[in-house]
Amino acid sequence: AQTVTQSQPEMSVQEAETVTLSCTYDTSESDYYLFWYKQPPSRQMILVIRQEAYKQQNATENRFSVNFQKAAKSFSLKISDSQLGDAAMYFCAYRSAFGNQFYFGTGTSLTVIP
Amino acid sequence: GAVVSQHPSRVICKSGTSVKIECRSLDFQATTMFWYRQFPKKSLMLMATSNEGSKATYEQGVEKDKFLINHASLTLSTLTVTSAHPEDSSFYICSAREDRSSYNEQFFGPGTRLTVL
Repeated sequence: AQTVTQSQPEMSVQEAETVTLSCTYDTSESDYYLFWYKQPPSRQMILVIRQEAYKQQNATENRFSVNFQKAAKSFSLKISDSQLGDAAMYFCAYRSAFGNQFYFGTGTSLTVIP
Repeated sequence: GAVVSQHPSRVICKSGTSVKIECRSLDFQATTMFWYRQFPKKSLMLMATSNEGSKATYEQGVEKDKFLINHASLTLSTLTVTSAHPEDSSFYICSAREDRSSYNEQFFGPGTRLTVL
């Protein structure tokens, strides 16, 4: 079974600074998707960014970018120019390209310091 | 964008009663929906996969007689927690897979907080 590991239970960043959240995963599949989801206090899961494993180029969405290292099975999220609204729990997730099931990491709680 | 709703958003019930939670895809069809459970400050754990017109598929360790799932239409799945006990108190989240998405895109509902007294 696939596993997703987030080794940082909590992180903090100064407003306007940059922070990187780590994620590693284990799989024997070659085709899959990786995701970062944000869960604010409202508990609504919000998709931050998605990466297709077959794409070498790192995905970017405005202030959010990933560093996808397929060989190392690493998928970190970089948040630039951090804002107070970025404070939330962040989950890294894996999904097979041919399946439906998400495998979530244990989450990283991000605090943004004004 | 695709929206998934859940109703109710929070419910409090007495031990021994049954509670039904609805998950609706508002602007897309979803043959397949998923039910997750999330404990405080923990990750989402998949409970079951709900398929329109057929029986749900439950993950190992999830009691299908306790967590009844009905996927009656392409936009609605319901989760009924039968004979609820305090240990069933949790946050329940559904997601719906958009049928027409080439990515098998899934969208999450806002969740339902269940408290069993």
